[in-house]
Amino acid sequence: GAVVSQHPSRVICKSGTSVKIECRSLDFQATTMFWYRQFPKQSLMLMATSNEGSKATYEQGVEKDKFLINHASLTLSTLTVTSAHPEDSSFYICSARQGSTDTQYFGPGTRLTVL
Amino acid sequence: QKEVEQDPGPLSVPEGAIVSLNCTYSNSAFQYFMWYRQYSRKGPELLMYTYSSGNKEDGRFTAQVDKSSKYISLFIRDSQPSDSATYLCAMSTGRGSTLGRLYFGRGTQLTVWP
Repeated sequence: GAVVSQHPSRVICKSGTSVKIECRSLDFQATTMFWYRQFPKQSLMLMATSNEGSKATYEQGVEKDKFLINHASLTLSTLTVTSAHPEDSSFYICSARQGSTDTQYFGPGTRLTVL
Repeated sequence: QKEVEQDPGPLSVPEGAIVSLNCTYSNSAFQYFMWYRQYSRKGPELLMYTYSSGNKEDGRFTAQVDKSSKYISLFIRDSQPSDSATYLCAMSTGRGSTLGRLYFGRGTQLTVWP
């Protein structure tokens, strides 16, 4: 149980385009999902917390107009990188919080490369 | 000072060795402690989840939490090459405005050679 999927696993796009990444909890309902960014050999950097049916809470320094988050249902959250630039190239990982615990289950990640 | 400190390694051990991974933290409000394993280019996988102080064992893995010292450990017995990965400690307060938010260590890169 507690499986989280992410799609796509890898995307390459041109500078200036927008990219949407989906995060789904497959066998449980997640009222809260999180989006992280990870640079090579670095730990996870929390970008935003997404609660179903409400606006996402962004961490300091994360541009909410650039990284649009939608948590439309209890099993789906999306991250859209708008007008992507090469510096947005990174590994993006989502997680879903299960129930009332603080346990988070992570998706497999999405490798974004902006040319 | 970061809230969670973890030696990034790298740590290299022979197959069969006992591995000890550690994290220290500064926030006494942390109550939930987790260890995640992350293979290269993959998302983290939850290994152990512990509430408050004490030990928890699951197969070859043992997690220890010492809240008085603000110190947590993960022990891997009879280590295998398949255990080669980055191990991340994470913790949370479990309440208030930070409910659900995890604070991560940098991760320790482990290599188990045959």
